[in-house]
Amino acid sequence: NAGVTQTPKFQVLKTGQSMTLQCAQDMNHNSMYWYRQDPGMGLRLIYYSASEGTTDKGEVPNGYNVSRLNKREFSLRLESAAPSQTSVYFCASSGRGQGYEQYFGPGTRLTVT
Amino acid sequence: DQQVKQNSPSLSVQEGRISILNCDYTNSMFDYFLWYKKYPAEGPTFLISISSIKDKNEDGRFTVFLNKSAKHLSLHIVPSQPGDSAVYFCAARFHAGKSTFGDGTTLTVKP
Repeated sequence: NAGVTQTPKFQVLKTGQSMTLQCAQDMNHNSMYWYRQDPGMGLRLIYYSASEGTTDKGEVPNGYNVSRLNKREFSLRLESAAPSQTSVYFCASSGRGQGYEQYFGPGTRLTVT
Repeated sequence: DQQVKQNSPSLSVQEGRISILNCDYTNSMFDYFLWYKKYPAEGPTFLISISSIKDKNEDGRFTVFLNKSAKHLSLHIVPSQPGDSAVYFCAARFHAGKSTFGDGTTLTVKP
């Protein structure tokens, strides 16, 4: 039982390049999320998916797209990376626990130069 | 406008003493409040939650108190241990599992 896995762990991009961050969970959770965390700040929601086949914008969606490929997988795509997207990205999932608590992956540290 | 605020960026306590981490919120529609703990280079992990209809929830050394009239919650850790040193995030849930997070408080427990 791996929980939430993310790939890659680290990535360096040049401005204008594109990439996809991958996330998978094996807990049979319906909901999945993508967050970014900048230094000294909390987690800000980029996109979330309440169930397979649905996605919705969070607080900071500009410059990102997502795909909920199936119940297990939720990917985040940067079409044209910008230095402002340098951050640590976390994927999370939640089921119908008491408070819908979220389970997080280990994060992807992305640097855009 | 930030809906969940953790006004203390850091807290230092002695091992064995009580740690109290605070959180304020603005939206009365939040239905659950959660605390997460984060070690460096790892993802956050869920610690404890409380429903908006309760005022206290306890799990071992961790207790969360909710004061709805003041829109304030706190996490008490007793006794504090060096392994508790981490960043603690307060989060509030308002819709379909979506949560909004505070900026975190870094707790240091000194041996």
